[in-house]
Amino acid sequence: GAVVSQHPSWVICKSGTSVKIECRSLDFQATTMFWYRQFPKQSLMLMATSNEGSKATYEQGVEKDKFLINHASLTLSTLTVTSAHPEDSSFYICSANHVASGSRHSYNEQFFGPGTRLTVL
Amino acid sequence: AQTVTQSQPEMSVQEAETVTLSCTYDTSESNYYLFWYKQPPSRQMILVIRQEAYKQQNATENRFSVNFQKAAKSFSLKISDSQLGDTAMYFCAFAWYYGGATNKLIFGTGTLLAVQP
Repeated sequence: GAVVSQHPSWVICKSGTSVKIECRSLDFQATTMFWYRQFPKQSLMLMATSNEGSKATYEQGVEKDKFLINHASLTLSTLTVTSAHPEDSSFYICSANHVASGSRHSYNEQFFGPGTRLTVL
Repeated sequence: AQTVTQSQPEMSVQEAETVTLSCTYDTSESNYYLFWYKQPPSRQMILVIRQEAYKQQNATENRFSVNFQKAAKSFSLKISDSQLGDTAMYFCAFAWYYGGATNKLIFGTGTLLAVQP
């Protein structure tokens, strides 16, 4: 199946610094990638939809200047947490759309990365 | 707006037994897909099964099967012959189909399943 990687798998940083998380589709091209945030024992919360070559679409309540998303190629999207603070500590997960064939029409199946645990001190 | 509801925060089942996880959803869309994802302790999201809304036949994948009741907007997951490796958080998800592609996933709150030896 399609493989998505994330780097780093975990990161610890000081308050006020910026952290970049990479999401790569390893064996397929993805025009659309998604970024999620997950708190312990909770569901995935969609932060933004990343489209190759265009600006990301952010969900309501997500600060686009705080969470910068760049999708410069068909296999790489990056999430930069700017001026990180302890409340930004969380598990961040990306996914990439891969076209699959349904019985009637094709659809986009999301393949997920392994996640990145961010701890801001 | 589309919503997905999982009313069972936690469930427990004995190894080799059968368990059913519940999921209901609300939508006015007619073309959509439903999914069950598994998130084990490693936190890697894994697709368990998907259902195309226009298909009346319930999807099955080995020990996993669904009961899709479109009129009732219900989409439950049955796990047969439960194994210790099935211990995980299970998320029900919805995506509507529009313009030649499915859109973003809407997740439920999840059900934490513990398989007991």
